[in-house]
Order: sequence, then C-alpha cells, then structure tokens
Amino acid sequence: DAKTTQPNSMESNEEEPVHLPCNHSTISGTDYIHWYRQLPSQGPEYVIHGLTSNVNNRMASLAIAEDRKSSTLILHRATLRDAAVYYCILAGNTPLVFGKGTRLSVIA
Amino acid sequence: NAGVTQTPKFQVLKTGQSMTLQCAQDMNHEYMSWYRQDPGMGLRLIHYSVGAGITDQGEVPNGYNVSRSTTEDFPLRLLSAAPSQTSVYFCASSYSKRYRGSVPDTQYFGPGTRLTVL
Repeated sequence: DAKTTQPNSMESNEEEPVHLPCNHSTISGTDYIHWYRQLPSQGPEYVIHGLTSNVNNRMASLAIAEDRKSSTLILHRATLRDAAVYYCILAGNTPLVFGKGTRLSVIA
Repeated sequence: NAGVTQTPKFQVLKTGQSMTLQCAQDMNHEYMSWYRQDPGMGLRLIHYSVGAGITDQGEVPNGYNVSRSTTEDFPLRLLSAAPSQTSVYFCASSYSKRYRGSVPDTQYFGPGTRLTVL
C-alpha cells in the first residue's frame, strides 16, 4: 500500500493559519490525496481531496506539490473546534489505509 | 438521510461471549468497511465489502466475521470475545465508483461502538 508520512503533532494559535504537511513519495499516478480528520470521541470525517491541482473548499485548502510527492493541508484560521487528528491518505482503490495522523492542538 | 448508524454505542462483554455489532447506511453505498481503533492509535481495517454478497479481509480480521446480505447492512460478529478486542469500532461506507458527482473513496463514518471485554 502507498504510504504517507506526517508529523506526530502540531500546535497552532487560534485564528492563525495552520499548514499540515504530508509526504507521499511513493504515490502512483492514479492515487488521489485525501485528508480526513477525527475530532475527539467521533468517527473520522472527510475534509478535502485532490489529484494534481490545488483545491479549496469551505473547510480547508489542499496544496499539492508539482511532483505530487508531498501535499499540505491548510486551515486558514484555526479555531478551537479544529483541534483533531488529521489523516493524509492515498486513495487509489478502496479500502483506505489510515496511519497515525497529526494531532493538531489549538491554543486560545 | 441518517447516514451511517451503529448500534450499540457501548457494550461490555465477558471473555468468551459472542455478539454482533450492527451497521447500516441509507445512502445506497456499495462499499462498507469495519475499522477498530485502539487508544492513541490510528484506525485498522478489519473487514470490508464492495457489494452485497462480497466480503474480504482487512489488516486485522482474526476473531471477527462479517456478511453482507443487503446493500444497507454490514454486521460485524465477534465469535468469542477476548480482552484484546477491547476497542472502539467504526463502520464506514462509500460509493466505490464516481456516481452522480460523488468522490470515489470518500468514506462516511458512523459514530462508533465502544466495546470493553473483561
């Protein structure tokens, strides 16, 4: 399975932007890059996905490197409700394989 | 739509007991899966199904059985519970192909079942 590498944890101040990195050097041409997050005591929820181009939605932005070997999830203004574990996953065929993700702490 | 529902929310079993965790979705999703999450860990895939009548093993299938007789339901059976199966169990579903503008592999998760085996 294609693997991703993320920092174990990151910290951000409230209302500041957060950049969550992900390395995926073994990505194949058909793999989508998906991001999920898991709030405390909840199941994971979909955040955003992309293939080659940068993507924006109401939750976040996804910046994908030109060689597709890394990507960055951008939260434009972190809030306390964004404190969660963020998972970067390569999706080619179901099922999805979750790593340990990055635990984001947001400081008021 | 109710999305993905799981019952029960909490369960305590004694070693050796059997039980079934229920999972249902009302989104007409082809793909369904079960994950377990141990404290401080990521999710590990137990079993998955790409459609009614088709199931396959994931990363940690031992001690669990599944069946998929309908598109909507995907129950997980613990045959003889062991303390090592104490965990939070999540069910998920998704379209397996691009369908009506959906994103393939975007999974919708249930709220989880917290299981303790004594």
